[in-house]
Amino acid sequence: NAGVTQTPKFQVLKTGQSMTLQCAQDMNHEYMSWYRQDPGMGLRLIHYSVGAGITDQGEVPNGYNVSRSTTEDFPLRLLSAAPSQTSVYFCAAGLLGQGRNEQYFGPGTRLTVT
Amino acid sequence: AQSVTQLDSQVPVFEEAPVELRCNYSSSVSVYLFWYVQYPNQGLQLLLKYLSGSTLVKGINGFEAEFNKSQTSFHLRKPSVHISDTAEYFCAVSEGRYGNKLVFGAGTILRVKS
Repeated sequence: NAGVTQTPKFQVLKTGQSMTLQCAQDMNHEYMSWYRQDPGMGLRLIHYSVGAGITDQGEVPNGYNVSRSTTEDFPLRLLSAAPSQTSVYFCAAGLLGQGRNEQYFGPGTRLTVT
Repeated sequence: AQSVTQLDSQVPVFEEAPVELRCNYSSSVSVYLFWYVQYPNQGLQLLLKYLSGSTLVKGINGFEAEFNKSQTSFHLRKPSVHISDTAEYFCAVSEGRYGNKLVFGAGTILRVKS
């Protein structure tokens, strides 16, 4: 039982390039989400999903796309990377519903955009 | 939208001393509250959570937190810290229809000195 896995661990992109950050979970949890972590700002929600085929925007969605074709996978796509997207990205998964709110986080992807 | 304020960005403390990390949240309605810990270069791990019931919540590694509705606070405490407690600590509140969306504070870095 690996929990939440993320690939790659590190990535350097040039401005304008696109890429996909991968996230997978083996816990059969309905809820998955992507956060970015920036110094002094905590974690901010980018996109989330409450089940396969259902996604919605979080606090900072601009420049990112997501899809959820299966329960297990929730990839995050950067369409045209910008230096402002330099950050550490965390994927999380959790059960859905009030009182079952614990989220399990992956190890993160550190992205640098030059 | 809810907000979370962590009142100290860094807290230095000597080993075996007590520590309190302060957290205030903005919501006036029922909330679920969490403390997560992030060790260097790792993902986030749940320390403890308050969903309902007793206002004193015990978590892992000897940490506890007290929910104070009138002061909208959820301060984290440990009576005696160890070097291994050096990490960044995040307070979070849940919101959204399913209570799964987390709003994080900016984080408090706990530095334990020998």
